[in-house]
Amino acid sequence: DIVMTQSPDSLAVSLGERATINCKSSQSVLHNSNKKNYLAWYQQKPGQPPKLLIYWASFRESGVPDRFSGSGSGTDFTLTISRLQAADVAVYYCQQYIDTPWTFGQGTRVEIK
Amino acid sequence: QVQLQESGPGLVKPSETLSLTCTVSGVSVTNPSYYWSWVRQPPGKGLEWIAFIHYSGNTNQNPSLESRVTISVDTSRNQISLRLSSVTAADTGVYYCARNPPPGGFDYWGQGSLVTVSS
Repeated sequence: DIVMTQSPDSLAVSLGERATINCKSSQSVLHNSNKKNYLAWYQQKPGQPPKLLIYWASFRESGVPDRFSGSGSGTDFTLTISRLQAADVAVYYCQQYIDTPWTFGQGTRVEIK
Repeated sequence: QVQLQESGPGLVKPSETLSLTCTVSGVSVTNPSYYWSWVRQPPGKGLEWIAFIHYSGNTNQNPSLESRVTISVDTSRNQISLRLSSVTAADTGVYYCARNPPPGGFDYWGQGSLVTVSS
């Protein structure tokens, strides 16, 4: 199985400041044929299902605010929230889908400082 | 718009079989572009992918659960179903159905169904 490891487990950021979440995979998720990284990011608020934010590591899902961005390639990825808003308080997960079993990171809790 | 809704018993006894149904609206489960998955989340913990299915019959299960999992599709009712046999307390959690679009990931999710395994 591909192990996804996120860091940190939690972080507190002031409103309007930047939040950065890292995700590392135990194997590359870069697909050789199309050169796309099979990596997604989700936001989960309490009592709600996860919401897809980013796919192919850096493609923003329709309707997702542009303050959310994804970057990275191979085994190292980053989700950045450029100007944190109160509505962004949530747990964020990365997920690889290059190989089954599809696996998720353990989650990173983002709070307001 | 696309909607997914899970349904099933909220309480299952140990050693019995957990059965859940996901009713899909706004899109046909026979649309060849999509796969359909089940994902679960133990209380206070992270996400675990269980299995996916394509209407053509292509399926894949998480090896950690493979021998206990059955996923199926009912095209006449536009539903996806999950059966998990020989459950234990470790199978307690919220079970989600979700859609897998061509780029990957899970783009639509149900609200989730809490299943508790207890005698």
